[in-house]
Amino acid sequence: DQQVKQNSPSLSVQEGRISILNCDYTNSMFDYFLWYKKYPAEGPTFLISISSIKDKNEDGRFTVFLNKSAKHLSLHIVPSQPGDSAVYFCAASASGNFGNEKLTFGTGTRLTIIP
Amino acid sequence: EAQVTQNPRYLITVTGKKLTVTCSQNMNHEYMSWYRQDPGLGLRQIYYSMNVEVTDKGDVPEGYKVSRKEKRNFPLILESPSPNQTSLYFCASANAGVGDNEQFFGPGTRLTVL
Repeated sequence: DQQVKQNSPSLSVQEGRISILNCDYTNSMFDYFLWYKKYPAEGPTFLISISSIKDKNEDGRFTVFLNKSAKHLSLHIVPSQPGDSAVYFCAASASGNFGNEKLTFGTGTRLTIIP
Repeated sequence: EAQVTQNPRYLITVTGKKLTVTCSQNMNHEYMSWYRQDPGLGLRQIYYSMNVEVTDKGDVPEGYKVSRKEKRNFPLILESPSPNQTSLYFCASANAGVGDNEQFFGPGTRLTVL
């Protein structure tokens, strides 16, 4: 049972335009969400996070939006750059620490930025 | 440099031959975890550890063992590997404090079991 879903396996966006990556979750206990970026032959690296007390968090070109009622979050990248081409994983946890909780990852979306 | 290291990076082995994948972090993190990445399934947690001598099962622990004798090391042991354990494995570590959720990942170990 996939509790965190990324329904688009791949996405292609023109350089300079906005990239929007989507993530849906089913577990209402999730209250902390993260995005990770992964290049080939490397481990995932943390990109940005958001807790359920917020609906938006921004860090430079990256913004994450959270819609708790819809159990949906999205990552916006503006403007998109060729170096953004990577696989993006959405992850969720049921608390803000790692007591007995863990990160549940989505299946990933491969973003390709077209020059 | 703060990092998580894994060895080996690539391994081809045969069914039933015991193997260990090592993981080490130099950030004094309490929390360490192992994941496997498979096509269409994303990253799934195998085992995690909250601190020395404290380990617990993740979502897919069958066929794996771990130990946490030292804070910096968290080896993954496959006592009798099978072909369905062919996968890309990642070790990760993090602080265990409230609001500090970023996990740092190693570069990955690609395992093939024939």
